[in-house]
Amino acid sequence: AQSVAQPEDQVNVAEGNPLTVKCTYSVSGNPYLFWYVQYPNRGLQFLLKYITGDNLVKGSYGFEAEFNKSQTSFHLKKPSALVSDSALYFCAVRDFASGGSYIPTFGRGTSLIVHP
Amino acid sequence: DTGVSQNPRHKITKRGQNVTFRCDPISEHNRLYWYRQTLGQGPEFLTYFQNEAQLEKSRLLSDRFSAERPKGSFSTLEIQRTEQGDSAMYLCASSLGGPIGANTEAFFGQGTRLTVV
Repeated sequence: AQSVAQPEDQVNVAEGNPLTVKCTYSVSGNPYLFWYVQYPNRGLQFLLKYITGDNLVKGSYGFEAEFNKSQTSFHLKKPSALVSDSALYFCAVRDFASGGSYIPTFGRGTSLIVHP
Repeated sequence: DTGVSQNPRHKITKRGQNVTFRCDPISEHNRLYWYRQTLGQGPEFLTYFQNEAQLEKSRLLSDRFSAERPKGSFSTLEIQRTEQGDSAMYLCASSLGGPIGANTEAFFGQGTRLTVV
């Protein structure tokens, strides 16, 4: 079974400060990990993914995420937050074990609020 | 626009009525997913197609829900005898199945917001 947890319902950060949105996962095999962003009344937009290779993954809009296998984490980061980054952020995982699901499982989401 | 397209964007219906939503995936994508999202929650998986074959269904998908993907292109999701608890955003996503590590991310449409009154 695969699952993902986003332990924070909300993250508040001042504009210009670094931000981190946390995600931990559980899979039986190797994980495929994803971050998506959702603006109000919109669908989810893909930000970045980890499949294999470098643990630090760079994505859209200056976001990056660090895969940590020992801590089963995939935290989303950005060095300098913008007010326009305020949105809902979802972490998702697919288990790439033999017979694993093709279907991503999503976390509950974290609301990021960037204050001017 | 070559993204995932969903219609309608909004649907208000009376309890007990049937509704049907349509999803047009990215044209070369062979995998198509339906998710449901309620306020404050992440997307919950409903069903998945690979080409025209419906390969997985969540236990969330009651007998009142049916999905089809004829010819492996667009998909429809029908809800019969709607209930107030069906009110949610219904999201469609598609992805391209390929070699390990390739093109695995799902791309989402903007969703259909259903309100059952």
